[in-house]
Amino acid sequence: GQNIDQPTEMTATEGAIVQINCTYQTSGFNGLFWYQQHAGEAPTFLSYNVLDGLEEKGRFSSFLSRSKGYSYLLLKELQMKDSASYLCARGSSYKLIFGSGTRLLVRP
Amino acid sequence: DGGITQSPKYLFRKEGQNVTLSCEQNLNHDAMYWYRQDPGQGLRLIYYSQIVNDFQKGDIAEGYSVSREKKESFPLTVTSAQKNPTAFYLCASSIGTGEQPQHFGDGTRLSIL
Repeated sequence: GQNIDQPTEMTATEGAIVQINCTYQTSGFNGLFWYQQHAGEAPTFLSYNVLDGLEEKGRFSSFLSRSKGYSYLLLKELQMKDSASYLCARGSSYKLIFGSGTRLLVRP
Repeated sequence: DGGITQSPKYLFRKEGQNVTLSCEQNLNHDAMYWYRQDPGQGLRLIYYSQIVNDFQKGDIAEGYSVSREKKESFPLTVTSAQKNPTAFYLCASSIGTGEQPQHFGDGTRLSIL
């Protein structure tokens, strides 16, 4: 993606915690989004951060540091169904700019 | 239920043929978007529309065309000028643009015969 970096692949164990990092270019920043995408399906919206700090939503939390151009998605109590790609996207003017996604594999 | 409907789910194109992908939403959203996704990659913006009768090129508009004659509809035509059209095409909509979350349709998978 345009100036958005996230790891290509991660592996974690069922029941564990995993953190997926995302760094982005700060110019023209207008919010940071996380989406989940299962193979062959459409992305589904997970979270949106526009201010610094942690937003918690059940097992998923998202963190933003605007000064550092950094965000992470934290997944707790991992389940097998959490195996998917996680897309980081930043708002910019009238559109979203997506990263290439992080493919997460959850193992038993 | 409100949502975004894309059709068809699978589409095959012959050489030199134009094909049109349908996208309809009943969410009353002003903004609509078309993305292309290649295997193992993120989403790349083809075209977007902030309001009826207006649309803008995205990052990879060459070989594609769109129209926005109705708020609910934003069809994408893949023309014969698009030399590598095989991909997963996703349509999305949002209340506004930029800082609003986008909601996606189920996608159309286009292949070349």
